[in-house]
Amino acid sequence: DQQVKQNSPSLSVQEGRISILNCDYTNSMFDYFLWYKKYPAEGPTFLISISSIKDKNEDGRFTVFLNKSAKHLSLHIVPSQPGDSAVYFCAASAKGRDDKIIFGKGTRLHILP
Amino acid sequence: GAGVSQTPSNKVTEKGKYVELRCDPISGHTALYWYRQSLGQGPEFLIYFQGTGAADDSGLPNDRFFAVRPEGSVSTLKIQRTERGDSAVYLCASSLSQGGNTEAFFGQGTRLTVV
Repeated sequence: DQQVKQNSPSLSVQEGRISILNCDYTNSMFDYFLWYKKYPAEGPTFLISISSIKDKNEDGRFTVFLNKSAKHLSLHIVPSQPGDSAVYFCAASAKGRDDKIIFGKGTRLHILP
Repeated sequence: GAGVSQTPSNKVTEKGKYVELRCDPISGHTALYWYRQSLGQGPEFLIYFQGTGAADDSGLPNDRFFAVRPEGSVSTLKIQRTERGDSAVYLCASSLSQGGNTEAFFGQGTRLTVV
């Protein structure tokens, strides 16, 4: 039973445009959400996070939006750059409970020149 | 070192053998996680330590898998009687988290291949 779902296995976006990666979750106890980026042969690297008390968090070109009622979050990257090509994992945890971080299957983002 | 270190980076073993995978977390991080990632999948949770104790081992697939963290720092994931289906990248992560909102930092992983 996938608690964190990334329904798009891959996404292609033109360089300079906005990339939008989506994520849905089923566990209403999740209160902390993270996005990780992964290059081949490397471990995932933390990108940005958001607490459930917020609906938006911005860090440079990266913005995460959280819609708790829809149990949906999205990562916006603007403008997209070639180095953004990677696999992006959405993750969630119930910080007030057991802290374990549950990951989605990932979305492979291709930035086209 | 500055980051999470995992050794070996690659391990090839024969079916039925025993393997140990090591994780050196970031100094001072109390939380340590093990994940397994198969091709085309996201990291799959295996076990989580707070200090020396396993706070949650619900992700261990069966009793062939075991992990320890005897001094609250280095952790070893142990797999007995390896099977071809155990082939995957095993990822370790650590964090300062003790209920606060902090992210986990990952090592580069150990690629295990069972032949």
